[in-house]
Amino acid sequence: AQTVTQSQPEMSVQEAETVTLSCTYDTSESNYYLFWYKQPPSRQMILVIRQEAYKQQNATENRFSVNFQKAAKSFSLKISDSQLGDTAMYFCAFMTSGTYKYIFGTGTRLKVLA
Amino acid sequence: DAMVIQNPRYQVTQFGKPVTLSCSQTLNHNVMYWYQQKSSQAPKLLFHYYDKDFNNEADTPDNFQSRRPNTSFCFLDIRSPGLGDAAMYLCATSRENSSGRVVWYNEQFFGPGTRLTVL
Repeated sequence: AQTVTQSQPEMSVQEAETVTLSCTYDTSESNYYLFWYKQPPSRQMILVIRQEAYKQQNATENRFSVNFQKAAKSFSLKISDSQLGDTAMYFCAFMTSGTYKYIFGTGTRLKVLA
Repeated sequence: DAMVIQNPRYQVTQFGKPVTLSCSQTLNHNVMYWYQQKSSQAPKLLFHYYDKDFNNEADTPDNFQSRRPNTSFCFLDIRSPGLGDAAMYLCATSRENSSGRVVWYNEQFFGPGTRLTVL
């Protein structure tokens, strides 16, 4: 069975600094997708970034980038130039190619400090 | 903008009184999902629709039902809410693609959620 582990329940970072959220997963599948979702307090969950397992290049979206290490089954999220609006719960999610189901991690609560 | 809409955003019901939550989408996605999310936890999938085909998760209580009358709308019915059903309920959608025998699902888009309180 697939599992997703986020080992950091809470983190904080100073505004304008860089922070890295960790995510590891376990699977025997070779084709899959990984996602980071952001859920701000009392607001909806939005997709931050996605990574296809077959792509060696790490995905980037503006200030957000991932470090995808397929052999190590690691998928960390780096947030550069942190902003107050980045304060949120961040969930790592895994989906096997061809299936509908997300396996979520337990989340990391990130607080950006002014 | 194309989006996933949930109504109401906040719902209060009494113990045992049936309640219906609604979700609509303008994305024209063929897959719709209902999740239950309790405080500071990951969302838990209750069921999903692939077009009109209903798929129940094995551990979803019988107390929860769903209807999808058309592509755009999906409803979550809780027949006899208990105190343990108080939670945020999230609706999500995704688009499934296929090419020959290859099928893949795209990422899920979430609505803002309905917070259910049970008194």
